[in-house]
Amino acid sequence: DVKVTQSSRYLVKRTGEKVFLECVQDMDHENMFWYRQDPGLGLRLIYFSYDVKMKEKGDIPEGYSVSREKKERFSLILESASTNQTSMYLCASRGNSIGQYFGPGTRLTVT
Amino acid sequence: DQQVKQNSPSLSVQEGRISILNCDYTNSMFDYFLWYKKYPAEGPTFLISISSIKDKNEDGRFTVFLNKSAKHLSLHIVPSQPGDSAVYFCAGEKTSYDKVIFGPGTSLSVIP
Repeated sequence: DVKVTQSSRYLVKRTGEKVFLECVQDMDHENMFWYRQDPGLGLRLIYFSYDVKMKEKGDIPEGYSVSREKKERFSLILESASTNQTSMYLCASRGNSIGQYFGPGTRLTVT
Repeated sequence: DQQVKQNSPSLSVQEGRISILNCDYTNSMFDYFLWYKKYPAEGPTFLISISSIKDKNEDGRFTVFLNKSAKHLSLHIVPSQPGDSAVYFCAGEKTSYDKVIFGPGTSLSVIP
């Protein structure tokens, strides 16, 4: 079974803090993704990566950056957290077949 | 511009009956359409897909129908079970971009 793990299930941060969300997958997948899920908006793509050290902007990259130093790990960074970044963050990976495998999500609250 | 739309935020169905979840899209370039299921406090799980060159795909109780001329697809669950209660996301994928565009989701409640 593919396993995608995320470093925290719940996180509370203050406005202006730097926030790191980590994601690890164990299936040697090339592609990894970061989404945020908000009510009524579905899943929106923040960034994705198709190889180590490669990254592509998704639909809502503003305020975020990413890092992929190793194939199995994809990190999402909020340089200076703001209250409008309070959301559920979901990491996913994908191999050669159709369908992404998602982690359990991190519920981030910025106060 | 919402490329994938799910116009029903919620749906309630009696156990044993058919659940029909609908999805509309605007982007004719999608190669695949996918359905994901999400329980609270868990990540989405891939349920079933259909190639843009097909009009039907079936997997057990789940069938997806694609009407390209109408840019519409639907997921049928027969018979519905209480364990099917979840949020269902429709998604379109263009494989050359490796990107998936998700709809806003439909919350299905199956009433025992």
